[in-house]
Amino acid sequence: QVQLKESGPGLVQPSQTLSLTCTVSGLSLTSNSVSWIRQPPGKGLEWMGVIWSNGGTDYNSAIKSRLSISRDTSKSQVFLKMNSLQTEDTAMYFCARLYDGTYYYYFDYWGQGVMVTVSS
Amino acid sequence: ETVMTQSPTSMSTSIGERVTLNCKASQSVGINVDWYQQTPGQSPKLLIYGASNRHTGVPDRFTGSGFGRDFTLTISNVEAEDLAVYYCLQYGSIPYTFGAGTKLELK
Repeated sequence: QVQLKESGPGLVQPSQTLSLTCTVSGLSLTSNSVSWIRQPPGKGLEWMGVIWSNGGTDYNSAIKSRLSISRDTSKSQVFLKMNSLQTEDTAMYFCARLYDGTYYYYFDYWGQGVMVTVSS
Repeated sequence: ETVMTQSPTSMSTSIGERVTLNCKASQSVGINVDWYQQTPGQSPKLLIYGASNRHTGVPDRFTGSGFGRDFTLTISNVEAEDLAVYYCLQYGSIPYTFGAGTKLELK
């Protein structure tokens, strides 16, 4: 079955770089797109960006200058790197499969999320 | 950026009632709207895609409708397991944007 699992450090110091990994099983990254979505404690969801099945990327303009999404298809892994972290980047970070069909797009498979706290 | 405004922010209901949640886009997004349900400590779960299509396994008491700027999610015969936060998402233009959510609580 399809599974996504996020991993990475739980604590990052302010101004440092966050590196997260999303390990995917049950589907191929060469034919599936994956997004990163985050959720600050007690708040709503924010779409961060996507790596498309063709390897192209799109980012949320609000964080585009700090964010990079890449992948290793041989390892079925998607990576998130975000620099210059501040306390407001404290959040649960989810990866999710983005179904991008002819007529509809949706996030149908989600990881459990990884909590990242930005603090000194 | 397309802003999605959900109303109400929270709603109290009783088991067996019918509730309607609203989502309004700042510009037309056609039918490019999904609805997600999130219970505490869990990842969001897809309910509705393309404004009105029920995802596999979603009970038929969940109904989505709308086009353009105005969208609704109706839950008929609310069950205890439906008490959650509901988010709309537009994918008509990048950045994809979520509404702030509607929390459905027990009266």
